Amino acid sequence: IAGITQAPTSQILAAGRRMTLRCTQDMRHNAMYWYRQDLGLGLRLIHYSNTAGTTGKGEVPDGYSVSRANTDDFPLTLASAVPSQTSVYFCASSDSGQGETNGYTFGSGTRLTVV
Amino acid sequence: GQNIDQPTEMTATEGAIVQINCTYQTSGFNGLFWYQQHAGEAPTFLSYNVLDGLEEKGRFSSFLSRSKGYSYLLLKELQMKDSASYLCAIMDSNYQLIWGAGTKLIIKP
Repeated sequence: IAGITQAPTSQILAAGRRMTLRCTQDMRHNAMYWYRQDLGLGLRLIHYSNTAGTTGKGEVPDGYSVSRANTDDFPLTLASAVPSQTSVYFCASSDSGQGETNGYTFGSGTRLTVV
Repeated sequence: GQNIDQPTEMTATEGAIVQINCTYQTSGFNGLFWYQQHAGEAPTFLSYNVLDGLEEKGRFSSFLSRSKGYSYLLLKELQMKDSASYLCAIMDSNYQLIWGAGTKLIIKP
């Protein structure tokens, strides 16, 4: 089934630990995005990648890093988790990094709790 | 600054019509999107407007006025499955989506 796969679905993580959230798409979309969604704040962009080999910082990049070694994969790493990173994380993709009339396709999300 | 405003919550009756408003101030404009998000699920694309006017898709319609920085999503013949959050998003001058906090729509029988 074409789409975006995120893993894990949920995770409880001890503060200070390192964690990588995985995101894989099979639609050959060139642009990919990581968002966090917190109650009352809407979706906030963490990092993005317009094409394989390039990445950029979004609105809330601190404490997170990404890589884009190929078109399909866009992992998000928390180097040393803190409780304020408790959130629902969504990965998304689109088939153009310069405007998209068909919208973004989202993964099912990862619910992360940092304790 | 950039700002997108939507009502936090709305309630409507099954079979009725509801209009969800979105006002925005952003640095540049390359289109406005509406998404639907059911509780615990991912957002799904509903509509895209880049020119002024009304776009109709079945029971859902979306309107845009760029001069007023205003859009609305109109849902007709409401069904219980329409209970969800509706997210307004603007594509800015850098082709990044800026998101509103969403409107939670509650449908009552």
